[in-house]
Amino acid sequence: DTGVSQNPRHKITKRGQNVTFRCDPISEHNRLYWYRQTLGQGPEFLTYFQNEAQLEKSRLLSDRFSAERPKGSFSTLEIQRTEQGDSAMYLCASSLGERLWGYTFGSGTRLTVV
Amino acid sequence: AQSVSQHNHHVILSEAASLELGCNYSYGGTVNLFWYVQYPGQHLQLLLKYFSGDPLVKGIKGFEAEFIKSKFSFNLRKPSVQWSDTAEYFCAVIFYGGSQGNLIFGKGTKLSVKP
Repeated sequence: DTGVSQNPRHKITKRGQNVTFRCDPISEHNRLYWYRQTLGQGPEFLTYFQNEAQLEKSRLLSDRFSAERPKGSFSTLEIQRTEQGDSAMYLCASSLGERLWGYTFGSGTRLTVV
Repeated sequence: AQSVSQHNHHVILSEAASLELGCNYSYGGTVNLFWYVQYPGQHLQLLLKYFSGDPLVKGIKGFEAEFIKSKFSFNLRKPSVQWSDTAEYFCAVIFYGGSQGNLIFGKGTKLSVKP
């Protein structure tokens, strides 16, 4: 048990459909991050929250992507009108405060767009 | 732009061989440095980290890394690898003072250890 939980583990969707992923961070962690990892690449930063505030978004995060963390606890990442290029592993991580001892990662959600 | 480079894409070793994986970053300011490991089918796990102080840091499972500021490097080492070390290894850096104080990863190095 990593402490960061992501659901679902796998998602197969047809191109053009919307998908939503959920991340439950370690309960006392106030920062939550979303990353995307494609084959042969390291994780790429998408966005992060401090409590419920979304403080930064990568240029990788197109208008079709939206993330929320409404109560400063769990977070959702929605992709609208999915494209085949969205196929990837979506990783969530959390950390405590500004003293960054390293992020704790979840197991990820693998998205396949067919 | 700030970046992290891992020059070895795939390393193949026999058990008991010594390991050194290279990591370089492009930034002259303050950095925090990390190595993560991802075993097949598992999540990313923190191996070790460097924030300040002794540039030689020891992590879990017998791994260590040395921060050489003048070379912008943070190479990972292990004196004697085991078959169970087969995994993908990612170097990651937090760049302070840049546009993001977030963790930036290298592309990873896949390590295969032959029994």
